[in-house]
Amino acid sequence: GQQLNQSPQSMFIQEGEDVSMNCTSSSIFNTWLWYKQDPGEGPVLLIALYKAGELTSNGRLTAQFGITRKDSFLNISASIPSDVGIYFCAGLISNFGNEKLTFGTGTRLTIIP
Amino acid sequence: DGGITQSPKYLFRKEGQNVTLSCEQNLNHDAMYWYRQDPGQGLRLIYYSQIVNDFQKGDIAEGYSVSREKKESFPLTVTSAQKNPTAFYLCASRPNPGGQPQHFGDGTRLSIL
Repeated sequence: GQQLNQSPQSMFIQEGEDVSMNCTSSSIFNTWLWYKQDPGEGPVLLIALYKAGELTSNGRLTAQFGITRKDSFLNISASIPSDVGIYFCAGLISNFGNEKLTFGTGTRLTIIP
Repeated sequence: DGGITQSPKYLFRKEGQNVTLSCEQNLNHDAMYWYRQDPGQGLRLIYYSQIVNDFQKGDIAEGYSVSREKKESFPLTVTSAQKNPTAFYLCASRPNPGGQPQHFGDGTRLSIL
């Protein structure tokens, strides 16, 4: 099955820095989703994007649905220790009741003391 | 509280043994999913079910089986035919209509003794 190209694979930043990560695909998606996963737990939905060009914020998080429908980015401003974890993008294609959600390979965020 | 419950949290299997992972949801969601997660990789779809008594193979269904006899339950059996079963297994569900984000349980980690 297809997986999205997500970058970077890992990031090491200092507390207070801004973070940016993105996902690209050769396929068009109807919906882009961003999840965060803490160790040993399931992914938690952060932001859902439903329209090309849409820019959505959730607190310090901002995500955009690319105008071509083949990419999305997630920004985190003023990072804090609880932002540590793995971030996944996911693209959803929905055709006549058939749905397929494809996940990126994840971006591991580490905050350096 | 409404949510998705996976059990057990940790599971150990002897070689040649079948094991069943439980997934229960009280969200009244129609669609349920099983994913496998390996280190450094995104989530890969094993099986999904959009309605009771119906399920479809995902990208990596070989060595797995499922049933969907009740709306709230979607158990996954890892059979002895699955040669590399050690992984983190995640169950998800989503509300109808389609195009809605999936929400995840907290996962079951399966290891081979």
